[in-house]
Amino acid sequence: DVKVTQSSRYLVKRTGEKVFLECVQDMDHENMFWYRQDPGLGLRLIYFSYDVKMKEKGDIPEGYSVSREKKERFSLILESASTNQTSMYLCASISAGARANYGYTFGSGTRLTVV
Amino acid sequence: GDSVTQMEGPVTLSEEAFLTINCTYTATGYPSLFWYVQYPGEGLQLLLKATKADDKGSNKGFEATYRKETTSFHLEKGSVQVSDSAVYFCALSDGTNAGKSTFGDGTTLTVKP
Repeated sequence: DVKVTQSSRYLVKRTGEKVFLECVQDMDHENMFWYRQDPGLGLRLIYFSYDVKMKEKGDIPEGYSVSREKKERFSLILESASTNQTSMYLCASISAGARANYGYTFGSGTRLTVV
Repeated sequence: GDSVTQMEGPVTLSEEAFLTINCTYTATGYPSLFWYVQYPGEGLQLLLKATKADDKGSNKGFEATYRKETTSFHLEKGSVQVSDSAVYFCALSDGTNAGKSTFGDGTTLTVKP
């Protein structure tokens, strides 16, 4: 069964900490995405990557960075966590080219609380 | 830019009732359209999709038709079950090789026995 795996389901971090959220996919997908999900705001795109070492800003990149050193792994980094980054974080992946529009495969999500 | 507007919730129905969740979109180019479902405590799962005008996507008794003339992709099911209780998201893909998607705000469906 194909899979997108997020390393943690729940995280609690302190304000100012550097936080790493990890996402691994086993489908050899080229494109990977990080979204955050907040009540009443739906899903908002933070960053995406269409190749190793390549990244593009999404709609709300401020306060975040990403790393893609290997094709299967896409990491989201909160450089200095703040309480307004408390949210559900969702990773997704998709193939490139003609199959890029066949729909995402999502991970189970990481619920991050910053205190 | 691209946008998706879907029916506000929450929606509460009795078992075996008919379901419609409205979705309209604004996009340049030729997007693909999707419905995703999110069960409590889980990530989103692809429910159905349509990649061109007049296509009908279907899965698990749910259906949606890509209507270019009304820029709509309404989700329907003839007889809902308690197990259909979830949050439903309408989305569109930008049609590029990256497949970047824009999502609606989600509609929470509760089905009572």
